[in-house]
Amino acid sequence: DTEVTQTPKHLVMGMTNKKSLKCEQHMGHRAMYWYKQKAKKPPELMFVYSYEKLSINESVPSRFSPECPNSSLLNLHLHALQPEDSALYLCASSQEGGGGWETQYFGPGTRLLVL
Amino acid sequence: GEDVEQSLFLSVREGDSSVINCTYTDSSSTYLYWYKQEPGAGLQLLTYIFSNMDMKQDQRLTVLLNKKDKHLSLRIADTQTGDSAIYFCAESGSGGSNYKLTFGKGTLLTVNP
Repeated sequence: DTEVTQTPKHLVMGMTNKKSLKCEQHMGHRAMYWYKQKAKKPPELMFVYSYEKLSINESVPSRFSPECPNSSLLNLHLHALQPEDSALYLCASSQEGGGGWETQYFGPGTRLLVL
Repeated sequence: GEDVEQSLFLSVREGDSSVINCTYTDSSSTYLYWYKQEPGAGLQLLTYIFSNMDMKQDQRLTVLLNKKDKHLSLRIADTQTGDSAIYFCAESGSGGSNYKLTFGKGTLLTVNP
């Protein structure tokens, strides 16, 4: 089973709202990732958690706040977003192997629209 | 820095073979990947190749790696309309940065009946 699930599938929010995106995997992977993907572009890495600790923040604005409550779950808390934050948000996970972090498996994404 | 280049568009007829090409710059990449993205969907891992291999075959998919020229290709045999999608080539970093995938811009494959 190489499934990563994400909820919700779609989200519409106003600029003053607070919402959260959720990601779950049961593959025993110890690294989890958030990516942002704009239309017709490749995904851009936002955050990396390894062993439930934030290891990489790719200079993401503080209106995006990640959280990793346990090894299977990853959240992305959203607050005071801007319309330009509208995008597909992808979660991924990977396991550790002999050469470091291995293949990343992606979820279906949450399509976010900020009005 | 690392860079991955792909042609943006490819159009083929159903039943023909498709070949999507990719070049990369990081000679220390550990793995090279092909992901498929259908409209409105996430990224589906199609296949990957370890950097010390030169070929990998998986059913209709053949990946060729020319490490000297830093060239990767994905061949899809007997292309079907369901293969229409964007295909991303990606390389992983090496050592401590191998969490980081560098993606190409993606190749839009259109399969005509």
